[in-house]
Amino acid sequence: SAVISQKPSRDICQRGTSLTIQCQVDSQVTMMFWYRQQPGQSLTLIATANQGSEATYESGFVIDKFPISRPNLTFSTLTVSNMSPEDSSIYLCSVGAGFSYNEQFFGPGTRLTVL
Amino acid sequence: AQKVTQAQTEISVVEKEDVTLDCVYETRDTTYYLFWYKQPPSGELVFLIRRNSFDEQNEISGRYSWNFQKSTSSFNFTITASQVVDSAVYFCALSSQGGSEKLVFGKGMKLTVNP
Repeated sequence: SAVISQKPSRDICQRGTSLTIQCQVDSQVTMMFWYRQQPGQSLTLIATANQGSEATYESGFVIDKFPISRPNLTFSTLTVSNMSPEDSSIYLCSVGAGFSYNEQFFGPGTRLTVL
Repeated sequence: AQKVTQAQTEISVVEKEDVTLDCVYETRDTTYYLFWYKQPPSGELVFLIRRNSFDEQNEISGRYSWNFQKSTSSFNFTITASQVVDSAVYFCALSSQGGSEKLVFGKGMKLTVNP
């Protein structure tokens, strides 16, 4: 398995500001993913972040709103830009790990509230 | 397109009862992977099991068991002798390439185990 940490664990932000979420893994991984979980909802993939290449965004998510960095094989950041109350969610990073990368493990999440 | 359906949204049981969580999936892939995750009130997503489409053997892990049936496209999860600590939201998920690709999640099922 992989041990994943996220910072911050939670934050309350004002409309129009931006927040950068960090994801740190205890081992080198190729695949990192960022998901959003809106209140009471399921998880939706925002983007896939592979080291050395641009992140690949899912339909409905754009780089200007959710810029992602992946500077090395153990770290990634997701920025939520120009926030509105609709961005209030839990943001989770995950990594492909395990034998043949058949498992996907999640970080503890960042609870974001936008006022 | 891939789809995961968890028809039950919420179940409430009394401790020591057995409970089965249903999961039905849709995919055109001949190779795929199915997952179950637990999300307790604290919010982190806990990996429970991964099953690939080649292996239809049922699996038991302590009080947990999983029944995979390709003929009905189902991957059901049973908790035997439920405990209060089992109270959580449970998600079923589907992927084409195990942990190295995005997971498509069901809507989740909230289980409440009452003492």
